[in-house]
Amino acid sequence: GENVEQHPSTLSVQEGDSAVIKCTYSDSASNYFPWYKQELGKGPQLIIDIRSNVGEKKDQRIAVTLNKTAKHFSLHITETQPEDSAVYFCAAPNDYKLSFGAGTTVTVRA
Amino acid sequence: GAVVSQHPSRVICKSGTSVKIECRSLDFQATTMFWYRQFPKKSLMLMATSNEGSKATYEQGVEKDKFLINHASLTLSTLTVTSAHPEDSSFYICSAAPSGSYGYTFGSGTRLTVV
Repeated sequence: GENVEQHPSTLSVQEGDSAVIKCTYSDSASNYFPWYKQELGKGPQLIIDIRSNVGEKKDQRIAVTLNKTAKHFSLHITETQPEDSAVYFCAAPNDYKLSFGAGTTVTVRA
Repeated sequence: GAVVSQHPSRVICKSGTSVKIECRSLDFQATTMFWYRQFPKKSLMLMATSNEGSKATYEQGVEKDKFLINHASLTLSTLTVTSAHPEDSSFYICSAAPSGSYGYTFGSGTRLTVV
């Protein structure tokens, strides 16, 4: 099955700076990579995803890059704001299910 | 976009009683739904896959008799925690996606506290 590793586990950034979270996956056949944001006491919310036929996707301040050769993908948040503080999870397909990374707690310091 | 509704958001029950959690896909049909359990500061742990019209598929180590799953329609799956004990206290979350899509949407979660 798919094994997803996520780093770092915690990330503290100054407001306005960028945050980068990296995930690696094991199954070279995986073709879909979503990122979820989870706020305290809530369910995860899909914030961006990428398919294996592209190398980068952007949506305003967030972007995801994919390196299929190295089997890793990254989430980039630019111009961070306090409301970006949350736990972020990457995921990759595991048959019809999703395998999740361990999560990254992002804290944006004002 | 796809919306998944989960109820209740919070529930407190006494040891030995059963609790039912509902997961509904509001604007799409879902032949498959997923139930997760999440411990504090941990990732999502898949408990089972709920299949419309058939038996659920449980992950290794999950007691099927304790966590009963019913997926009687294309828009509703329920998770019943039977004979609940304090160790069952946790955050339970469901997810679903339109057929053929990996874009899973999650419910808002249910905080279960067993006293």
